[in-house]
Amino acid sequence: RKEVEQDPGPFNVPEGATVAFNCTYSNSASQSFFWYRQDCRKEPKLLMSVYSSGNEDGRFTAQLNRASQYISLLIRDSKLSDSATYLCVVNEMGWGKLQFGAGTQVVVTP
Amino acid sequence: GAVVSQHPSWVICKSGTSVKIECRSLDFQATTMFWYRQFPKQSLMLMATSNEGSKATYEQGVEKDKFLINHASLTLSTLTVTSAHPEDSSFYICSARQGAGTNEKLFFGSGTQLSVL
Repeated sequence: RKEVEQDPGPFNVPEGATVAFNCTYSNSASQSFFWYRQDCRKEPKLLMSVYSSGNEDGRFTAQLNRASQYISLLIRDSKLSDSATYLCVVNEMGWGKLQFGAGTQVVVTP
Repeated sequence: GAVVSQHPSWVICKSGTSVKIECRSLDFQATTMFWYRQFPKQSLMLMATSNEGSKATYEQGVEKDKFLINHASLTLSTLTVTSAHPEDSSFYICSARQGAGTNEKLFFGSGTQLSVL
């Protein structure tokens, strides 16, 4: 079983619509969670950290569900520029290693 | 935000040659850096954890003699692909850790596309 699992997609989303997807993690002791965005052939860029209480940054909302061991990302009012692969990253405290999900591809269409 | 510089951006080399990739944290000290490899349409795969002043920790299946990592200072880690072969062609990305615990963030270099002929 993978440490961090994501639905690879692609999620085809009409412009202006809302899309949401999850990421599950296997280590219940994990403490830090992040969403990164990666465009084709580019480096991943931090989109947002995920806090226990959930957090919002503009059109993006991240949630953490410790009981079920998953985090989610919701994108409202999708823009064409939101098309990318979204990587779920989990920090397993004490292991000193970040675990990456395989990414969820989002394609926003006009 | 913090900046991590990686170069070269792309390399084309003949089979059998060695290629060195540099990763620098420009505005912070990084005791730990990571090296990843990414094949087309696949996720980043962690190759090794580079620790300043000590030996790198390699992931299972990664040949330490083939992928030499040096982290001689708090701002520089290098990855040398020795005797590169076509199957080593890939996108290599480094990252540097800033902060610790819940304040930890990871910043990535811009990646190096390696093509071995």
